[in-house]
Amino acid sequence: DADVTQTPRNRITKTGKRIMLECSQTKGHDRMYWYRQDPGLGLRLIYYSFDVKDINKGEISDGYSVSRQAQAKFSLSLESAIPNQTALYFCATSDLGSEAFFGQGTRLTVV
Amino acid sequence: DQQVKQNSPSLSVQEGRISILNCDYTNSMFDYFLWYKKYPAEGPTFLISISSIKDKNEDGRFTVFLNKSAKHLSLHIVPSQPGDSAVYFCAASPHSGNTPLVFGKGTRLSVIA
Repeated sequence: DADVTQTPRNRITKTGKRIMLECSQTKGHDRMYWYRQDPGLGLRLIYYSFDVKDINKGEISDGYSVSRQAQAKFSLSLESAIPNQTALYFCATSDLGSEAFFGQGTRLTVV
Repeated sequence: DQQVKQNSPSLSVQEGRISILNCDYTNSMFDYFLWYKKYPAEGPTFLISISSIKDKNEDGRFTVFLNKSAKHLSLHIVPSQPGDSAVYFCAASPHSGNTPLVFGKGTRLSVIA
């Protein structure tokens, strides 16, 4: 089983719809992250959480919100999806001072 | 302002030769550097790291070199293999871990048989 599991793997949604991307990890790490990948732009940080009670905005948080339901779960929501949120979304987890482990990604298309 | 820069979007290398991927950073607080490899339809996977107390770290065919004065690091792959074809991301953070990893835009490596 994967250490970091993202659901769904693929999603097509309409403009204006609310959508939630879910992430769970079995690494036992406190830290979790949501990144977005766009062609030519690399991985950009949306939100991160260093423990269950901690939520921080990243570089591109506008239009997104997150919820840290438990140490192992960190979900990303798009309250009202727009086409420029079409991208690959990655969840990751890490320990303090260690490398991050990524999920397989969610390909989101907003039409 | 980009704190981690990978100025070459792509690189082609013949099988068996050396691949050199470069990365520059601007934040002098960064002291922990990582390389990730990403295949299509998969998440990035950790490849190798180096902390600022070293200038070289080696793991099999992969070696990372760090030049702190130039704020530059490079990943060497020797010998390159077709299975190394992927996008490589450079990432950095302060080793204190108080901020998440900052990633470059990536370099697509193609190893030609």
